[in-house]
Amino acid sequence: QKEVEQNSGPLSVPEGAIASLNCTYSDRGSQSFFWYRQYSGKSPELIMFIYSNGDKEDGRFTAQLNKASQYVSLLIRDSQPSDSATYLCAVNPPGKLIFGQGTELSVKP
Amino acid sequence: KAGVTQTPRYLIKTRGQQVTLSCSPISGHRSVSWYQQTPGQGLQFLFEYFSETQRNKGNFPGRFSGRQFSNSRSEMNVSTLELGDSALYLCASSLGGSLSSYNEQFFGPGTRLTVL
Repeated sequence: QKEVEQNSGPLSVPEGAIASLNCTYSDRGSQSFFWYRQYSGKSPELIMFIYSNGDKEDGRFTAQLNKASQYVSLLIRDSQPSDSATYLCAVNPPGKLIFGQGTELSVKP
Repeated sequence: KAGVTQTPRYLIKTRGQQVTLSCSPISGHRSVSWYQQTPGQGLQFLFEYFSETQRNKGNFPGRFSGRQFSNSRSEMNVSTLELGDSALYLCASSLGGSLSSYNEQFFGPGTRLTVL
């Protein structure tokens, strides 16, 4: 089992829809959870972080964390073509930061 | 505030050579982490430096090494290059914080290394 798993996609949604990106992790000692966005040919850019169970909202983005289920997700409301990118989930077990393989999101006009 | 900078941006080397990459963190950030990104393996953690000390290390061979200077700038060295070392090498800086809990990391633009 991979330490951090994401569906590779591509996930295709129409413009204006909600995009739902999911991530599961194996280490129950993980303390911090991050979502990064990476455009093709660019470096990852932090868009959300969450430490506590529940939801955290920032503009069109909502991160959801369920430590009991070892699950973290990212919802993007009112998806725009400019949201088309690869989304990386990162999980922080003690002493390291582990990235998932990323989910490619495509938002169609 | 200036972002994370990495030099050089592109590098071509041949097998057996060695290479040194440089990273300057955001001003005030004391932690620098290095990552290797390839299409097949994704983003993999190499090591993290904090206050000139290697604090965490990933599962890479000893050919990969690094160091951090008193101004928090960091260098990464790869000796005896192999074809499989061709990748995008990213560094990320953060404030630092506790040993086990990462603050938010901010990535540099990366160095694209090609090994022929």
